[in-house]
Amino acid sequence: EPEVTQTPSHQVTQMGQEVILRCVPISNHLYFYWYRQILGQKVEFLVSFYNNEISEKSEIFDDQFSVERPDGSNFTLKIRSTKLEDSAMYFCASKYGTSPQETQYFGPGTRLLVL
Amino acid sequence: DAKTTQPPSMDCAEGRAANLPCNHSTISGNEYVYWYRQIHSQGPQYIIHGLKNNETNEMASLIITEDRKSSTLILPHATLRDTAVYYCIVRVYNQGGKLIFGQGTELSVKP
Repeated sequence: EPEVTQTPSHQVTQMGQEVILRCVPISNHLYFYWYRQILGQKVEFLVSFYNNEISEKSEIFDDQFSVERPDGSNFTLKIRSTKLEDSAMYFCASKYGTSPQETQYFGPGTRLLVL
Repeated sequence: DAKTTQPPSMDCAEGRAANLPCNHSTISGNEYVYWYRQIHSQGPQYIIHGLKNNETNEMASLIITEDRKSSTLILPHATLRDTAVYYCIVRVYNQGGKLIFGQGTELSVKP
């Protein structure tokens, strides 16, 4: 069964450093998402991406964040200057279309720790 | 999207049916009910969804009341591997697709 993959599984970085989290969505999917989950809290929507542009973003997704689909298979989330509060699990998700049957498939997540 | 209310936690004996309730009293006519689960910090996993009819798949059954103000997810024979946080999400299907997760119900299946 096709699946969403994410790399790395864990990332430790120093405050102020840039990080890039990578995702490979399911190959024929057209809609891509990033979510995050701070330890012990609920899963929060960050951004959705379709047709090579951001379709929606949350208040969390400020100027420090950016997304890109550089090569038609990868989908990346960049945090320009990490803060302690960016420590969280980051989940990528994808889906094919917008019908009710088209559900989002989530990756296993990247655990980001900012020191 | 309509707000949902779920109990924070439930227990279930292994092999018994787990019935997880969700209240969505402000649901509107074009909103679907989706259920996802998250096993121990893994990525959320889709379980089932429905509009107004009851639905069943290989994982679970979804019972939606006639007035659509509440629903119940049924895991017919819960196993230890079904221990997870279960999320009930209500949304219009043709929106951009973001999922708004609440706190969910933490289901513990006990031997």
